[in-house]
Amino acid sequence: ETAVFQTPNYHVTQVGNEVSFNCKQTLGHDTMYWYKQDSKKLLKIMFSYNNKQLIVNETVPRRFSPQSSDKAHLNLRIKSVEPEDSAVYLCASRNWGGAREQYFGPGTRLTVL
Amino acid sequence: AQSVTQPDARVTVSEGASLQLRCKYSYSGTPYLFWYVQYQRQGLQLLLKYYSGDPVVQGVNGFEAEFSKSDSSFHLRKASVHWSDSAVYFCAANSGTYQRFGTGTKLQVVP
Repeated sequence: ETAVFQTPNYHVTQVGNEVSFNCKQTLGHDTMYWYKQDSKKLLKIMFSYNNKQLIVNETVPRRFSPQSSDKAHLNLRIKSVEPEDSAVYLCASRNWGGAREQYFGPGTRLTVL
Repeated sequence: AQSVTQPDARVTVSEGASLQLRCKYSYSGTPYLFWYVQYQRQGLQLLLKYYSGDPVVQGVNGFEAEFSKSDSSFHLRKASVHWSDSAVYFCAANSGTYQRFGTGTKLQVVP
């Protein structure tokens, strides 16, 4: 049963374009994350938002920026994509004060030509 | 430095055979420990978690894991695998702000 929703499922674009990915969770969690998963399945955390405050930013390139309208939504914008941005982007959520397991969305697969 | 290590990138087992996927962590103290599974073209799903207490924890679909403080390990086991268990399995640890994930073990179940 999906409770973390991501759109789009796939996106193909060209170098230099801007893209935006959406994530919404219906679990009532107060913390959301964006991860990048490369072709070898390695997971790298990119951003974490807790009650709309950025609390972790793992030195990702400045062309990446998270955007949050409320605690249920955390979008990811990439300004001027590069070929190395091709990856699967996974959104996750959890309750900060409670159990620490995370709930993941299905991912957005980005291909940069 | 804190880390989670999965030493086996790939594991192949026959259907019906038993399974163990290895995970070792390096943390001061005992972190919260997790196993997740990722089926093809999907996100990660929680299999089981350990916080404290009984070192053997049960998860979904017949999976279990055993925590060992002396060995700093949290190995995943299943008595009899099914072809549908083919997936990538991630071990993870959390002692604060965010989770650290291992590099994943790709499990292939063959007939």
